[in-house]
Amino acid sequence: SQTIHQWPATLVQPVGSPLSLECTVEGTSNPNLYWYRQAAGRGLQLLFYSVGIGQISSEVPQNLSASRPQDRQFILSSKKLLLSDSGFYLCAWTPRTNRGYNEQFFGPGTRLTVL
Amino acid sequence: AQSVTQPDIHITVSEGASLELRCNYSYGATPYLFWYVQSPGQGLQLLLKYFSGDTLVQGIKGFEAEFKRSQSSFNLRKPSVHWSDAAEYFCAVGPSGYSTLTFGKGTMLLVSP
Repeated sequence: SQTIHQWPATLVQPVGSPLSLECTVEGTSNPNLYWYRQAAGRGLQLLFYSVGIGQISSEVPQNLSASRPQDRQFILSSKKLLLSDSGFYLCAWTPRTNRGYNEQFFGPGTRLTVL
Repeated sequence: AQSVTQPDIHITVSEGASLELRCNYSYGATPYLFWYVQSPGQGLQLLLKYFSGDTLVQGIKGFEAEFKRSQSSFNLRKPSVHWSDAAEYFCAVGPSGYSTLTFGKGTMLLVSP
């Protein structure tokens, strides 16, 4: 069966510090991968998605970047965190099938607090 | 552009009572529709999905949802709510681009004794 991992689970960082959040998927190959941010009362905001190694699409221009160095690894980064980067970060994946679309499966999330 | 509206930010239901959470969508073609549930501090779990076929879909934990094209709605229902159902519920529509989803802002369900 497939599983998705995120780490760390929680993170407290000072403003201006760098960030690296990691997401890995097991039990599947060539998934689509997604990064979302969830802020209180604002639902889920899609940040980045990837359809393959090195292929990253950004949905919202901001202080963050994403990379996909391996097929099942997705990394969210920042060089200098802002207070507004605080939130709950969720990684998700979708299997590739001929059906054209599938449901997304979410990881447990990372709670980021920027002070 | 596609969008999802969940008109109720909070809903309180007595344990054992029935539940209906509303979801309206805007989409230019036949949508794929989803309901997810999120417990505090956790990721999202898929409750059910609609791709095609029967407009009444059954999901996990006793939930069901009905797709009504004429009303652009996909409301979530449960006949008898349990205290463990207290959580936040998200409706989503897709696809957009590379299988991305558009989510509503969520409805927080509170269950009273």
